Amino acid sequence: EPEVTQTPSHQVTQMGQEVILRCVPISNHLYFYWYRQILGQKVEFLVSFYNNEISEKSEIFDDQFSVERPDGSNFTLKIRSTKLEDSAMYFCASSPPGQAASPNEQYFGPGTRLTVT
Amino acid sequence: AQTVTQSQPEMSVQEAETVTLSCTYDTSESDYYLFWYKQPPSRQMILVIRQEAYKQQNATENRFSVNFQKAAKSFSLKISDSQLGDAAMYFCAYRSAGFQKLVFGTGTRLLVSP
Repeated sequence: EPEVTQTPSHQVTQMGQEVILRCVPISNHLYFYWYRQILGQKVEFLVSFYNNEISEKSEIFDDQFSVERPDGSNFTLKIRSTKLEDSAMYFCASSPPGQAASPNEQYFGPGTRLTVT
Repeated sequence: AQTVTQSQPEMSVQEAETVTLSCTYDTSESDYYLFWYKQPPSRQMILVIRQEAYKQQNATENRFSVNFQKAAKSFSLKISDSQLGDAAMYFCAYRSAGFQKLVFGTGTRLLVSP
């Protein structure tokens, strides 16, 4: 069964550094998402991406964050200048074609644990 | 803003028994979707069951069923004939119709003993 994959599984970076988290969504999916979960807290929505543009974003997704689908298969999340509070598990998800009004399942990847020191 | 509350941080059940996980949510919307996701240890979240708010009938998927009480804004998950493989973190999630964002609860860890 197709799965969403994410690399790396664990990333350690120093405060102020740029980091790129990579995701390969399921091949025929058209909607892509990033969520994050700070240790001990809820999974929080960051951004959704459709038709090569951001369709929704949360207040967490500020100018330090960007997303890109550079080559038709990968979906990346870039954090320009990492802060200690960016340490979290970052989940990528994708969902198949369908109207926004339908309860399309979001398929999640295993996550990338980002540690900012 | 919508919120989802799971008041049970951890639940335990014996194999073959039935367990119910609670979820309540707060919204002023009338059209939305509710989901239960399962996250086994070190694995990705997978969808267990979904419910459209406009449907009165409770969703069922094999051993998993929900008790959807729209007026009470309650969406509990019942797992019948529990199996060792059901041990996982269970997340309740809400999505507004017309939007993609999932709003999650804090999760309930389910322990299954032989």
